[in-house]
Amino acid sequence: SQTIHQWPATLVQPVGSPLSLECTVEGTSNPNLYWYRQAAGRGLQLLFYSVGIGQISSEVPQNLSASRPQDRQFILSSKKLLLSDSGFYLCAWSRTTNEKLFFGSGTQLSVL
Amino acid sequence: EDQVTQSPEALRLQEGESSSLNCSYTVSGLRGLFWYRQDPGKGPEFLFTLYSAGEEKEKERLKATLTKKESFLHITAPKPEDSATYLCAVRPTGGFKTIFGAGTRLFVKA
Repeated sequence: SQTIHQWPATLVQPVGSPLSLECTVEGTSNPNLYWYRQAAGRGLQLLFYSVGIGQISSEVPQNLSASRPQDRQFILSSKKLLLSDSGFYLCAWSRTTNEKLFFGSGTQLSVL
Repeated sequence: EDQVTQSPEALRLQEGESSSLNCSYTVSGLRGLFWYRQDPGKGPEFLFTLYSAGEEKEKERLKATLTKKESFLHITAPKPEDSATYLCAVRPTGGFKTIFGAGTRLFVKA
């Protein structure tokens, strides 16, 4: 069976510090991978998606970036965090772009 | 512009009191409509996919229906463990983006 791992679960970082969130998928190959951000009371906002190694598409201009160094690994990064980067970050995967999403357990990021 | 609107924002029910959640959507073309359940501090969990108007899916106390402009999630005789946020999402034709609504927070009191 397929599983998705996302860590850390909680992160408190000072403004201006770097960020690295990691997500790995097990039990499948060549998944489509996604990073979403969820603000309180608002819908999930798609940040990045990837259909293959090294292929990253950005949906929202910001100071975040994503990388896919291996088939089942997706990393969300920032060189300098802003207060507005606080939120609940979710990694997800799907078999194809038309199918349901499988989400990780999320990372609650607080930038202080 | 593709858009998803869910109502109500919050719903409080007594155990056993059936009700419905609404999801209205505007898309140029619909590839699929999804319902997810999200517990506090967790990632969303998939419930249903609907593809065409008139389609219905059921799972335990939940039943999802689809028309050309909206979807309903019917909850029959809910229990306290059904308390969660229910998210509706649409997958338009073309592109890679799934668009989510803000969700309905459901509270079921024993």
